[in-house]
Amino acid sequence: AQSVAQPEDQVNVAEGNPLTVKCTYSVSGNPYLFWYVQYPNRGLQFLLKYITGDNLVKGSYGFEAEFNKSQTSFHLKKPSALVSDSALYFCAVREPLMDSNYQLIWGAGTKLIIKP
Amino acid sequence: DVKVTQSSRYLVKRTGEKVFLECVQDMDHENMFWYRQDPGLGLRLIYFSYDVKMKEKGDIPEGYSVSREKKERFSLILESASTNQTSMYLCASSLDPMNTEAFFGQGTRLTVV
Repeated sequence: AQSVAQPEDQVNVAEGNPLTVKCTYSVSGNPYLFWYVQYPNRGLQFLLKYITGDNLVKGSYGFEAEFNKSQTSFHLKKPSALVSDSALYFCAVREPLMDSNYQLIWGAGTKLIIKP
Repeated sequence: DVKVTQSSRYLVKRTGEKVFLECVQDMDHENMFWYRQDPGLGLRLIYFSYDVKMKEKGDIPEGYSVSREKKERFSLILESASTNQTSMYLCASSLDPMNTEAFFGQGTRLTVV
């Protein structure tokens, strides 16, 4: 079975500094990886995905993620953090279901706090 | 603007009650999902549906059922609510079987007392 791990419950970063939110994965076959963000009192929003191709994936709100096959990681990054980036971030991996359908297997989430 | 709408943001129900959580999407998506979100556990799939009147169990279906009579609507039913079903419930939909991008509702925070 596929799985993802987010080793940090919380990450604290000063505004303007670069941020990294970590994710590692375990899959059989090629991984399809995703990042979602949940702002307070709101549903999840898609940020970016890796399916194939370039290891550096660019997404919404200035975020990017680096796929590293040898380290089985898919870390989320942003060069300069904003206070408004404070939210809960989820990493997910696609898992096959029956009839060519898929579901997402989710990490536990990492709370990102950006301090002014 | 794509939209997934859950009927309630907050619900308080009594133990033993039958509870209905409604979800409607306006994107003509085939696939719809119900998740439960608990701190430290991420999202766990309760049920999903990839077509009208079709439903499949996810990872934690016990105590829940679902209904999908129309393509745009996917309902989650708690047959007899219990306190351990107090949680945030998230509905999602996606266009294709690849589930490459899911769209989520704002969530329903259910408290069972």
